[in-house]
Amino acid sequence: GEDVEQSLFLSVREGDSSVINCTYTDSSSTYLYWYKQEPGAGLQLLTYIFSNMDMKQDQRLTVLLNKKDKHLSLRIADTQTGDSAIYFCAESIPDTGRRALTFGSGTRLQVQP
Amino acid sequence: DTGVSQDPRHKITKRGQNVTFRCDPISEHNRLYWYRQTLGQGPEFLTYFQNEAQLEKSRLLSDRFSAERPKGSFSTLEIQRTEQGDSAMYLCASSLEGLDHEQFFGPGTRLTVL
Repeated sequence: GEDVEQSLFLSVREGDSSVINCTYTDSSSTYLYWYKQEPGAGLQLLTYIFSNMDMKQDQRLTVLLNKKDKHLSLRIADTQTGDSAIYFCAESIPDTGRRALTFGSGTRLQVQP
Repeated sequence: DTGVSQDPRHKITKRGQNVTFRCDPISEHNRLYWYRQTLGQGPEFLTYFQNEAQLEKSRLLSDRFSAERPKGSFSTLEIQRTEQGDSAMYLCASSLEGLDHEQFFGPGTRLTVL
């Protein structure tokens, strides 16, 4: 079945890069996502990558996908205090016909000034 | 604001009472999803609609839960005979058909069952 796992916590200093990691279950056709959740708020879609890609960059965000190890990472360059939030990795497998996203438990990013 | 909206934002109820939540998706989105998020966990899928048709339901959606989307626009999620274990954040998301990889979430309804 589908399973997505993440480390629970990451602390960085303002201006440093943050790298949040995730492992997922394999599929021949998978979308992988990064969502951000601030306290008391819903989820904000940050970026997503299809499994036929290795990397995607969007401004300060870089997503790397290692299909062999089933490993996904999100790098945030020049981390700011406003980046403090919980980051969720998620997976969907369109070929199964299911539309649901399967989420990890989230990584809490704390940015110290 | 043209995003997904949910009402109410917070609901406190006593065990055994019924509660109903509403979700208004982004106006042109014909797919609508409900998720539940408990403290310290990621969201878990409950059900989804394409227009007014409920096409998929999770095992988490017990008989006490019912969701509707009668006109293919807003949706309601009702929980009957609430239990303390139902306390969670209930999240709604919407997407365009064929763009399920772009699900946009609302702010959620936080339910507390006393």
